[in-house]
Amino acid sequence: GEDVEQSLFLSVREGDSSVINCTYTDSSSTYLYWYKQEPGAGLQLLTYIFSNMDMKQDQRLTVLLNKKDKHLSLRIADTQTGDSAIYFCADGGGSYIPTFGRGTSLIVHP
Amino acid sequence: EAEVAQSPRYKITEKSQAVAFWCDPISGHATLYWYRQILGQGPELLVQFQDESVVDDSQLPKDRFSAERLKGVDSTLKIQPAELGDSAMYLCASSPQDRGDGYTFGSGTRLTVV
Repeated sequence: GEDVEQSLFLSVREGDSSVINCTYTDSSSTYLYWYKQEPGAGLQLLTYIFSNMDMKQDQRLTVLLNKKDKHLSLRIADTQTGDSAIYFCADGGGSYIPTFGRGTSLIVHP
Repeated sequence: EAEVAQSPRYKITEKSQAVAFWCDPISGHATLYWYRQILGQGPELLVQFQDESVVDDSQLPKDRFSAERLKGVDSTLKIQPAELGDSAMYLCASSPQDRGDGYTFGSGTRLTVV
């Protein structure tokens, strides 16, 4: 199957920006997603980007897409302790059904 | 805000017993999905329904897992018999037909097989 790779951990200080990176392999991807999962909870869709876009901004969140390199990133501005969670990159492939990476654990220090 | 409902929230069962999970998607969502998420990994798709029909169950271990969505609304995922390796979070998601932006997950059922 198609792969989605992301680093497993990221630690930042409160108030700093966080950048979570992801690479994917499916060149037919239409939707690319970022989900957030808090401990013991389901997945919350944070944002998504269409493959014909290279940037999307939504309040503190900025998604950058480099389709040529199949690289996706999520930037969280002014990171807060409440942002501590696991962040999943997901690739919609040729449809829209997400295939997930293993998730990046974001730890925000006061 | 509309939610995908799942029950039970937690389930502990003994090896070789049967276990079932229930999901009620967002009203009007034609497509329903069951995922399994093993600790430390991302969710993996087990089965996809379009209304009451199975669209994709290629990743469902059919010797012990079954899923149904009889009236095209709520759905049940069953495991019989449960094995230790089935311990995981089972997540249900639903979406409007052919749209990714409405893809919504429930809170999941945490299964522990002992």
